Amino acid sequence: EDKVVQSPLSLVVHEGDTVTLNCSYEVTNFRSLLWYKQEKKAPTFLFMLTSSGIEKKSGRLSSILDKKELSSILNITATQTGDSAIYLCAVPGAGSYQLTFGKGTKLSVIP
Amino acid sequence: NAGVTQTPKFQVLKTGQSMTLQCAQDMNHEYMSWYRQDPGMGLRLIHYSVGAGITDQGEVPNGYNVSRSTTEDFPLRLLSAAPSQTSVYFCASSYSSGVKPQHFGDGTRLSIL
Repeated sequence: EDKVVQSPLSLVVHEGDTVTLNCSYEVTNFRSLLWYKQEKKAPTFLFMLTSSGIEKKSGRLSSILDKKELSSILNITATQTGDSAIYLCAVPGAGSYQLTFGKGTKLSVIP
Repeated sequence: NAGVTQTPKFQVLKTGQSMTLQCAQDMNHEYMSWYRQDPGMGLRLIHYSVGAGITDQGEVPNGYNVSRSTTEDFPLRLLSAAPSQTSVYFCASSYSSGVKPQHFGDGTRLSIL
């Protein structure tokens, strides 16, 4: 059974801080790992990491895949209140499409 | 560009009632899926479809039915609602070639009394 574990489950930081969110996975036949940001409604796609693309960056957000440690981190630098959200990590299972999600990390950025 | 559209946004049901949650996408995606999201549980896959006429069960399929008669639509049916089905339901879609990011609808918040 595929498994995704995220830590911490919740985090409160002040604006300007840098945060690191963790995701570890156990999956048969790893293909990719995806990060999503969920504010009030739909999860929105952030990054997809694969064996051929183990590092992604977009503005203040970046993510790295460590295939040896079966894990990934999501870094957010110079946090803003708009970064407050639940961050979800997911891996596709054997059928390629069925995503197994972690429980998410709830990030709260306070002024 | 509507993306993935879910209706209704909110619904309250009584135990034993039936209803259908609607999901439509206009991106010509082959793959569609339904998830439920409960506090502290993340998103769990209910049912999915890799194309019209093809559906399969996910992690938590009991109490739900689906069908896929067209590429665009993927309704989720609750035959006899139970309080344990109180949740937020998300529909998602993606292209099926390779692993592609899934696009999510805004969700349906369902309460069963």
